[in-house]
Amino acid sequence: EDQVTQSPEALRLQEGESSSLNCSYTVSGLRGLFWYRQDPGKGPEFLFTLYSAGEEKEKERLKATLTKKESFLHITAPKPEDSATYLCAVRETSGSRLTFGEGTQLTVNP
Amino acid sequence: NAGVTQTPKFQVLKTGQSMTLQCAQDMNHNSMYWYRQDPGMGLRLIYYSASEGTTDKGEVPNGYNVSRLNKREFSLRLESAAPSQTSVYFCASSENGRPEAFFGQGTRLTVV
Repeated sequence: EDQVTQSPEALRLQEGESSSLNCSYTVSGLRGLFWYRQDPGKGPEFLFTLYSAGEEKEKERLKATLTKKESFLHITAPKPEDSATYLCAVRETSGSRLTFGEGTQLTVNP
Repeated sequence: NAGVTQTPKFQVLKTGQSMTLQCAQDMNHNSMYWYRQDPGMGLRLIYYSASEGTTDKGEVPNGYNVSRLNKREFSLRLESAAPSQTSVYFCASSENGRPEAFFGQGTRLTVV
């Protein structure tokens, strides 16, 4: 059974203080690992897809990396508007569904 | 470009009542999904439809039915609502050949 574990559950940063969020996964065959951002009262917003170990994707202050067992979402010099819950999900090669982690709630204080 | 649109946004039901949650996408995606999100449980798949005319059970299908009305629309029906179905429901869609899914804004359902 696919499993996705995200850590920490919550992270509080000062504006400009860089950090990383972790997503550990267990899947029989990885078709893709996804990062989403979710704001309160909204649906998850797609950020990145990573397909294979060693791959990296960047968008503004966010950079996602992937190994065979985990993914990191690095946040460089965050701003208050980066505050949100960040969700990680995986899809296995033979499946149609996404398996989600419970998310990391990020708060960036000005 | 609306993406994935869900209606209603909020709903309160009494135990035993029925209702249908509506979802439509304008991205010409083949696959559509219904998820529920609960505190401490994350997002869990209820049903999905890989193409028009097909539906399959996900992780938590009990108490729900779905209809893929056409390529754009995928509805979720609660025949006899129970308090355990209090949740936030999300519809999503994805393009064939691409694994990422795009989500609607959600329906917050309370069953009292």
